[in-house]
Amino acid sequence: DAKTTQPPSMDCAEGRAANLPCNHSTISGNEYVYWYRQIHSQGPQYIIHGLKNNETNEMASLIITEDRKSSTLILPHATLRDTAVYYCIVRPRDSGSRLTFGEGTQLTVNP
Amino acid sequence: GAVVSQHPSRVICKSGTSVKIECRSLDFQATTMFWYRQFPKQSLMLMATSNEGSKATYEQGVEKDKFLINHASLTLSTLTVTSAHPEDSSFYICSARGTGITGELFFGEGSRLTVL
Repeated sequence: DAKTTQPPSMDCAEGRAANLPCNHSTISGNEYVYWYRQIHSQGPQYIIHGLKNNETNEMASLIITEDRKSSTLILPHATLRDTAVYYCIVRPRDSGSRLTFGEGTQLTVNP
Repeated sequence: GAVVSQHPSRVICKSGTSVKIECRSLDFQATTMFWYRQFPKQSLMLMATSNEGSKATYEQGVEKDKFLINHASLTLSTLTVTSAHPEDSSFYICSARGTGITGELFFGEGSRLTVL
């Protein structure tokens, strides 16, 4: 899997947008960008994924640069419950592919 | 989204005993399940890949005789920590991918093992 680079920590004010960056300069053409998050002492939770187009769902938006070397996860209105470690992962989409986690970004949403 | 359930969520055992953790996919059939281990303040580390009806594939450095994985059905995989020692105390997490689901994996709630 392509290596990703994320800032170790970020802070965000409650109600404001949280923008979490991820660099994946060695991404291959068949690799998708996935985002998961892990709230303390829980299993990871799937957020969103994309290939090259921007994606949006009820949880977040994913903005992928045109060269696909970086992406940004956007939580439009962060709440205290969004405090978690956010993991950006790039990998092929096939059914047997492993998911390996980097260090992620600890997002702290402050009141 | 799809639901993956782990049991038990917490277990405390004595050193030298064996502990079994179950991972179930509740609303889909999982041909592949993955087991992870997470130590405090660290990221998830993939231990093994479990395919229904075949032997698990272990990551480098993970002892297959110590961490026994069985994936006997399309909805259940088990991880048995044999002869547990205090250093095996960790948060164990499983994830599953279904036959009809592409791309995203779904994770269980995790099982916290404490070996005394």
